[in-house]
Amino acid sequence: DVQLVESGGGLVQPGGSLRLSCEVTGFSLTDHEMNWVRQAPGKAMEWVAFISTDGRTQYYADSVKGRFTISKNSAQESLFLQMNSLRAEDTAVYHCARAVSDYVWGTFRYFDYWGQGSLVTVSS
Amino acid sequence: QSALTQPASVSGSPGQSITISCSGTSSDIGNFHSVSWYQHHPGKAPKVIIYDINNRPSGISHRFSGSKSGNTASLDISGLQAEDEAIYFCVSYTSTNTYVFFGGGTQLTVL
Repeated sequence: DVQLVESGGGLVQPGGSLRLSCEVTGFSLTDHEMNWVRQAPGKAMEWVAFISTDGRTQYYADSVKGRFTISKNSAQESLFLQMNSLRAEDTAVYHCARAVSDYVWGTFRYFDYWGQGSLVTVSS
Repeated sequence: QSALTQPASVSGSPGQSITISCSGTSSDIGNFHSVSWYQHHPGKAPKVIIYDINNRPSGISHRFSGSKSGNTASLDISGLQAEDEAIYFCVSYTSTNTYVFFGGGTQLTVL
């Protein structure tokens, strides 16, 4: 069975750092593109970051570019999100999500599996 | 404000049918096939129920169906059941300089 389990969330002060992990089972991170998606309280889901199957390509939402870094350790089957210079507006539940892409064009089709999420609260 | 527009809430009685809309533009829904719908019970992992506009993953009930007309995608749920009460959100590929767009989410209440 495919499972994604996030961890590492918590309370952090503005300007601080936090590292989220997403442990996956039932598939290999070398075979699938992965993403982080977040949902702030009372707001819509927001895509945060993408990493390619080989780990060489990353994309970021403008709101986190330069502050967040997505990475993975395929041997440990773990996806990470390093979050630095955190702001109050980064407060959200962070989900990892596996993506299915178009076989020909390589463009996004849909997210086929998600984790339950990990809550990050940025507050003094 | 989300890139894709959904109604904040819809409701229906058990056995009835409802439709949730997801409005975008020609840069996303209007010109691409990659529209998907998700069911989310808060505190749990979201689950894909429709992908590529109108395809159901294995194990998803036939009561769920999707369609698209112009820049608007729709999710239809027939024969409403109590367990359908959840938040439903749409996602679309976009040709703009971001990865995907999300809808704001629609709270479905089964009366």
